[in-house]
Amino acid sequence: EVQLVESGGGLGQPGGSLRLSCAASGFTFSSYWIHWVRQAPGKGLVWVSRIKSDGSYTSYADSVKGRFTISRDNAKNTVFLQMNSLSAEDTAVYYCARESSVGQWQPLDYWGQGTLVTVSS
Amino acid sequence: DIQMTQSPSSLSASVGDRVTITCRASQSVSIYLNWYQQKPGKAPKLLIYAASSLQSGVPSRFSGSGSGTDFTLTISSLQPEDFATYYCQQSYSAPFTFGPGTKVDIK
Repeated sequence: EVQLVESGGGLGQPGGSLRLSCAASGFTFSSYWIHWVRQAPGKGLVWVSRIKSDGSYTSYADSVKGRFTISRDNAKNTVFLQMNSLSAEDTAVYYCARESSVGQWQPLDYWGQGTLVTVSS
Repeated sequence: DIQMTQSPSSLSASVGDRVTITCRASQSVSIYLNWYQQKPGKAPKLLIYAASSLQSGVPSRFSGSGSGTDFTLTISSLQPEDFATYYCQQSYSAPFTFGPGTKVDIK
């Protein structure tokens, strides 16, 4: 069974840092791109970042570029999201999701349950 | 960046109704268009990918169509478990933007 489990959320200080983890199981992790998507309370989904299967390519939303860094450890089946210079606007549930390998269409076919990040002093 | 819009933002419908949601991209995304369903407190679920391909395990009452900039999601006969928020997403180019969502609730 494919599983993605996020952790590392919690209360962050404005200007501070948090590191999220996404632990994967039930599939060949090193063969899949992984994405982060966030959702502020009561709001819609916002794409944040993605990382290639071997970690050699990453991309980011403009709103987090230069502040967030995505990385992965294929030996540990885990993706990370390092979040620096946090602001209140980063308050959201953060989901990691697997990019499907069916064709070249790149939908997100499995999602974790999400981890809540709250930025407040 | 490619901007996505959806209409309507919300709708009220009854069980058995046919429901259509529209998604528009600010530039062509070919058929790199996906639809997700999200229920309160839950992660999104993939329904449709490549504009019209049904994800495994998704009921056949869900269908998608379109290409280029204009897309639709249709639920042929709304069921009680379909009351949720629906999002389109383009996967043509990063950032892989989502539409603002369409909330389907009970009339």
